[in-house]
Amino acid sequence: EAQVTQNPRYLITVTGKKLTVTCSQNMNHEYMSWYRQDPGLGLRQIYYSMNVEVTDKGDVPEGYKVSRKEKRNFPLILESPSPNQTSLYFCASSLRTGSALGSYNSPLHFGNGTRLTVT
Amino acid sequence: SQKIEQNSEALNIQEGKTATLTCNYTNYSPAYLQWYRQDPGRGPVFLLLIRENEKEKRKERLKVTFDTTLKQSLFHITASQPADSATYLCAHYSSASKIIFGSGTRLSIRP
Repeated sequence: EAQVTQNPRYLITVTGKKLTVTCSQNMNHEYMSWYRQDPGLGLRQIYYSMNVEVTDKGDVPEGYKVSRKEKRNFPLILESPSPNQTSLYFCASSLRTGSALGSYNSPLHFGNGTRLTVT
Repeated sequence: SQKIEQNSEALNIQEGKTATLTCNYTNYSPAYLQWYRQDPGRGPVFLLLIRENEKEKRKERLKVTFDTTLKQSLFHITASQPADSATYLCAHYSSASKIIFGSGTRLSIRP
């Protein structure tokens, strides 16, 4: 089954304790992205990756790191979590994006989310 | 800056009626608009895409329209059912790397 898998689903941690949220997709998608979703603010992009070893900042990258060593995996790293990073996080992937005709319409496939609480 | 807006107020309608949700965009003209469904605590799920040269797109009980003059897309669910209750998001690619989402409209269908 084609899917984006995030782990863990729920995570409670303390300020400053490094954590990693994993994301894996089995659809051979080039594009992957991380979002956070907060009440009243909608989905905001944290980081994205156009392909292996190509990553870039989204709208709210502060306090986060990512890596894309393999096409299928795109982990989100919080080196020193703070309470303002308490949120619902989603990983997403799509077939491709780019300037070529027809590529500005690839739907995003989302994981089931990771609810992170930082105390 | 590019902005995509949805009515943030919840929409409550009676089962069997047609639900209509609105997506407005300003300061740009997207070539495509996408619609997603999101259930509480779950990731959005893609439903439909409509191109700017398409007036209307249908999929089962779903219909999407795209009015480039009004800068608006409407999303209709006909013969609505309680299982259609969810938050619906419109979205578009503002660049090759970035998709912008509206804040979503929560739809509740009462039996």
